[in-house]
Amino acid sequence: SQQGEEDPQALSIQEGENATMNCSYKTSINNLQWYRQNSGRGLVHLILIRSNEREKHSGRLRVTLDTSKKSSSLLITASRAADTASYFCATDGSNFGNEKLTFGTGTRLTIIP
Amino acid sequence: DTGVSQDPRHKITKRGQNVTFRCDPISEHNRLYWYRQTLGQGPEFLTYFQNEAQLEKSRLLSDRFSAERPKGSFSTLEIQRTEQGDSAMYLCASSFSGTANTEAFFGQGTRLTVV
Repeated sequence: SQQGEEDPQALSIQEGENATMNCSYKTSINNLQWYRQNSGRGLVHLILIRSNEREKHSGRLRVTLDTSKKSSSLLITASRAADTASYFCATDGSNFGNEKLTFGTGTRLTIIP
Repeated sequence: DTGVSQDPRHKITKRGQNVTFRCDPISEHNRLYWYRQTLGQGPEFLTYFQNEAQLEKSRLLSDRFSAERPKGSFSTLEIQRTEQGDSAMYLCASSFSGTANTEAFFGQGTRLTVV
């Protein structure tokens, strides 16, 4: 079963604009990870944020985590056509960490050139 | 070592046939995971290994499914008597369990179509 949901389910923006995707989850977590998936391909790891962190940056990516609201957001700045993909959040809620990930339903992002 | 490798990339099989998929993890990773992803959904956990020990299996893993990791390196996932509902992308991932917060790296997946 899915842990939570991404919002929106689909997002289309013009190239150069910023894209924001949200993720909600249901149980306590050790960490939350964001992945990108191009159509029909495997998942590419983007960023991991620990439960005691509130914000993390990596290049054009900014991730926030609010454990009190059980939610996270992924911001992609200055979007490019190559950012077109599905984006998933995944949570690790295991007692000892790194046991299994529970994925959301994904946001399908389309960047219009 | 360029990452997690899965073989085959695509498999078309007739209903009732058995299929086997292989996953080669990143060499220094001691944990290996199998996930299944259907169209429009996120991946769902099936099972994971630490070294050669299978530590957890999802309820999704019916008795027609079996996974092995005999020497703690590569893993195989076998589906017996395939059904049309088994059509999905099967994803393998690996990670290192030395610390609690390390990334899981995924392979390109095996897309199974049961006709």
